[in-house]
Amino acid sequence: GNSVTQMEGPVTLSEEAFLTINCTYTATGYPSLFWYVQYPGEGLQLLLKATKADDKGSNKGFEATYRKETTSFHLEKGSVQVSDSAVYFCALSAGNRDDKIIFGKGTRLHILP
Amino acid sequence: SQTIHQWPATLVQPVGSPLSLECTVEGTSNPNLYWYRQAAGRGLQLLFYSVGIGQISSEVPQNLSASRPQDRQFILSSKKLLLSDSGFYLCARDRRNYGYTFGSGTRLTVV
Repeated sequence: GNSVTQMEGPVTLSEEAFLTINCTYTATGYPSLFWYVQYPGEGLQLLLKATKADDKGSNKGFEATYRKETTSFHLEKGSVQVSDSAVYFCALSAGNRDDKIIFGKGTRLHILP
Repeated sequence: SQTIHQWPATLVQPVGSPLSLECTVEGTSNPNLYWYRQAAGRGLQLLFYSVGIGQISSEVPQNLSASRPQDRQFILSSKKLLLSDSGFYLCARDRRNYGYTFGSGTRLTVV
């Protein structure tokens, strides 16, 4: 079946450091891939997405590239801020209307000033 | 608008008491709707999903139930809460190729 594996947290970085959160997936066919962010006490928000191989999703300085050859969708940001502290979820959708999105377990990110 | 309204935002209930959490959505009709629970420091657990009025699928056996009395209304219920029902409950709707839109969640503490 479809699944998503993302790196365990928490991840602690200093402000302005480079961020990578690894995400790999297992899926049949050609899924869409997502990164969601959850700020403390809030629901999840869509951060970025990619719907086909080699697509790059980007938003708020974050980027992720859909790599079919390595079945990966790693999240990166060149210079993190304290306000980026949150939980990040990698997810995939097989694309059929009744298919549920599969979420990773989430990675908590702490940015120190 | 694809807004999702969830209430209440926080709730403290005694063990054995009933529960009713409501979720209403705006936007296109006949959305797929979902209830998730997030225990403290853990990932998302899908509890129920619905593809239409009166149609509920349960992902895990538990003390909770769900109903969809109207196209844009999704209710999570329990007859008798357990301590283990504490958590952060999130309602979501699908947006086709745009993934899901989530509500702001309800923090439930069972005491």
